[in-house]
Amino acid sequence: SQQGEEDPQALSIQEGENATMNCSYKTSINNLQWYRQNSGRGLVHLILIRSNEREKHSGRLRVTLDTSKKSSSLLITASRAADTASYFCASSAGSYQLTFGKGTKLSVIP
Amino acid sequence: DAGVIQSPRHEVTEMGQEVTLRCKPISGHNSLFWYRQTMMRGLELLIYFNNNVPIDDSGMPEDRFSAKMPNASFSTLKIQPSEPRDSAVYFCASSDPFSGTGFDNEQFFGPGTRLTVL
Repeated sequence: SQQGEEDPQALSIQEGENATMNCSYKTSINNLQWYRQNSGRGLVHLILIRSNEREKHSGRLRVTLDTSKKSSSLLITASRAADTASYFCASSAGSYQLTFGKGTKLSVIP
Repeated sequence: DAGVIQSPRHEVTEMGQEVTLRCKPISGHNSLFWYRQTMMRGLELLIYFNNNVPIDDSGMPEDRFSAKMPNASFSTLKIQPSEPRDSAVYFCASSDPFSGTGFDNEQFFGPGTRLTVL
């Protein structure tokens, strides 16, 4: 079953603006990951944050993790049209499996 | 590395026919996953293998679905007989959780097979 839930389901912003997506999960995790999926393509790993980390950066991406609230957020700064995609969070309880949410569809308007 | 390779990329078949989807994981990865993605249900894990052994097939919808991994470089997902409700995009992903300094179970996805059952 899908454990992660992203919010919002869809987001439309202007190029140059920041985009924030949220994810909630239900059980204790070892790490939480974010993936991007362009239309008609497979998922691509963006960033992984471990349960003992609170914030992580990668280029224009910033991920936060609040284990007390069982939530994470993905911030994309200075968005570009090429950032248009669906974004998924995936939680890991420490096994090989990941539990994916249903995704946030981001549209960046040029 | 070429990444995860899936074939065919598109498959259109008629109800009742057998469908075989193929996957070649990234060399050296010891975990392989089959997922199904639909608008209604999102991304569902069907089965995963570790070191060629099926570990969890609880996501396989029914007996019409079967998966094999005869060696470390090849896996198949078979649907027999196929039904219109099997129409979806099927992804294969691989992973090597212990390749880095810690447990890092990042998954690498193939491009998917878009299956249409008429």
